Amino acid sequence: EVQLVESGGGLVQPGGSLRLSCAASGFTFSTYWMSWVRQAPGRGLEWVANINQDGNEFYVDSVKGRFTISRDNAKNSLFLQMNSLRVEDTAVYYCAREYTGWGFDYWGQGTLVTVSS
Amino acid sequence: EIVLTQSPATLSLSPGERATLSCRASQSVGSYLAWYQQKPGQAPGLLIYDASNRATGIPARFSGSGSGTDFTLTISSLEPEDFAVYYCQQRANWPPYTFGQGTKLEIK
Repeated sequence: EVQLVESGGGLVQPGGSLRLSCAASGFTFSTYWMSWVRQAPGRGLEWVANINQDGNEFYVDSVKGRFTISRDNAKNSLFLQMNSLRVEDTAVYYCAREYTGWGFDYWGQGTLVTVSS
Repeated sequence: EIVLTQSPATLSLSPGERATLSCRASQSVGSYLAWYQQKPGQAPGLLIYDASNRATGIPARFSGSGSGTDFTLTISSLEPEDFAVYYCQQRANWPPYTFGQGTKLEIK
């Protein structure tokens, strides 16, 4: 059974940093693109970043230079290092698997990041 | 960046009725459009990929159609568990992947 379990969310002040983790199981993690997708409270979905099997990274413009996506294929883990956090980064952050040609076929339960003073 | 506009924002229907949800892209996305369902407090789930292909385990009452800039998600006969928020998402021109703002399907 495919499982994605996020952790690392919490309350942080504006300008602060946070590192999210996603533990993957039930599939060959190293062969899939992986993404982070966020959802601000009461709002829609926003794709944040993704990373391919070889470690190539892509970002939405609003987080470029502040967020870094990475992966550890040996530990079946995905990460999102978030620096210089802003109030508008407040959201539930989901880890999602990308199935080539389909879309995001598996999602974690999400972890809440709150940026507030 | 491709903007996806969903309509209506809210759709009020009764179980057994037919639901038709629309997604319009600001430029052609070919058939590279997916639909997701999200229930309160849950992560989204993939329903349809490449405009018209049902994902694994999705009931036949869900169907997708369209290409280019205009897409439709149809639920042929609503079940109680179908009342949720639905999002479209394009993968034709990225980064970034983009989502529509969502259509809330509520019980009338």
